[in-house]
Order: sequence, then structure tokens, then C-alpha cells
Amino acid sequence: RKEVEQDPGPFNVPEGATVAFNCTYSNSASQSFFWYRQDCRKEPKLLMSVYSSGNEDGRFTAQLNRASQYISLLIRDSKLSDSATYLCVVGSNDYKLSFGAGTTVTVRA
Amino acid sequence: DAMVIQNPRYQVTQFGKPVTLSCSQTLNHNVMYWYQQKSSQAPKLLFHYYDKDFNNEADTPDNFQSRRPNTSFCFLDIRSPGLGDAAMYLCATSPGPSTDTSTDTQYFGPGTRLTVL
Repeated sequence: RKEVEQDPGPFNVPEGATVAFNCTYSNSASQSFFWYRQDCRKEPKLLMSVYSSGNEDGRFTAQLNRASQYISLLIRDSKLSDSATYLCVVGSNDYKLSFGAGTTVTVRA
Repeated sequence: DAMVIQNPRYQVTQFGKPVTLSCSQTLNHNVMYWYQQKSSQAPKLLFHYYDKDFNNEADTPDNFQSRRPNTSFCFLDIRSPGLGDAAMYLCATSPGPSTDTSTDTQYFGPGTRLTVL
């Protein structure tokens, strides 16, 4: 079983729509949670950390459910520039991160 | 700006010809990582350094070696590249362990795309 599993998508949505997707993680001892964004043929870039109480950064909202071991990301009012692959990333206490393979989002005009 | 730099951005090598990829950082982070990423796959951790301590992943082939001569620089050596080693190689850094889990955040360089002919 993979440590972090994501629906690869793609999620094809029109501009202005809301899109949401989850990832699940297997290590119940995980302590840190992130969403990274990766554009085609570029490096992953931190989008946001995910906190236990859930957090919001502009149009992006992340939620963490420790009991069910999943993390979600919601994007409101989608922009063309939101088209990317979103990597779910989980850390334990050994300063290593486990990456999901990513969920691809395509926003169309 | 503080950053993670990788050189070269694109590397073409021949089957079996050794190649070295370099990474440097101005963040003064303790931990440096090397990942291999193939198309539509998650980045795969090859190894990392915590300061001078080298930590190899169990499934990293012996063909891959690394050196960290100082805090700022880290090198990935591929001794005999095979066709299956063609990938994007990502270097990342993080501050290191602490009680603040935000220090788990890793910062990536732009990557080196390796082609093996």
C-alpha cells in the first residue's frame, strides 16, 4: 500500500467553478501535512501547510481528518492559472516527506 | 533571494557514462535531499543528508551516490546511467527537525532533467 494515495484525476472544471479532492495517508503517526503544486516539467512548490483545525489561504481551503487519515483541498472560483498537479504531502517525525503522485486539475475558459 | 539552485537544468549523457548533478542552497538549511521523479509519478526519495550524516533509502540502487562537501553544496553522482535512470532529479532542503512541524517544509530547486541516450 502506498503511503499517500491520491485520485490522479484529471479534474476538468470551468473557470469560476469550485473543485475539491482528497488524499489518504497510511501512517497514523504522521505529524505534518502539506499541499504542494507542481506545474508541468517544473519543481513542486509549497501551496499551503495543513493544520488540524483546517485553514484557508485566499481561494484555497485545506482540511485534515486525522481519524480517517485524509486531507482535502478545495479551490474556489477557479482561475486558468490554477491548472496544475497538486501533490499531497505527509511528514512524520524523521524530517522526511511522503508524496502522493498528484491530482491533475485543468481549468478551462 | 535565498534559494535552491540546481545545475545543469538539462543533462544529456550516454548509456554508462558517469554524470554528476549539483545542488547549492543559500537557505543555510541542515537537511538536503535528492529525489528522482518520473512522469506522472510522485517524487521518490533517493537519499538525504542531515548535516554531514548521509542517509540512504533502502531501495536506492548502488549506482546512485552522493556527496555533501559543505552545508551549501550537495552532489548526485550516477556512476553508470541506464535508460531507466532518465528522469527529473530534484534537490530539496529543509531546516531540520524541531518541535515546530512547519520546519518539515521542503524547498525544491528547479530540477535537472536527465536524458540517457
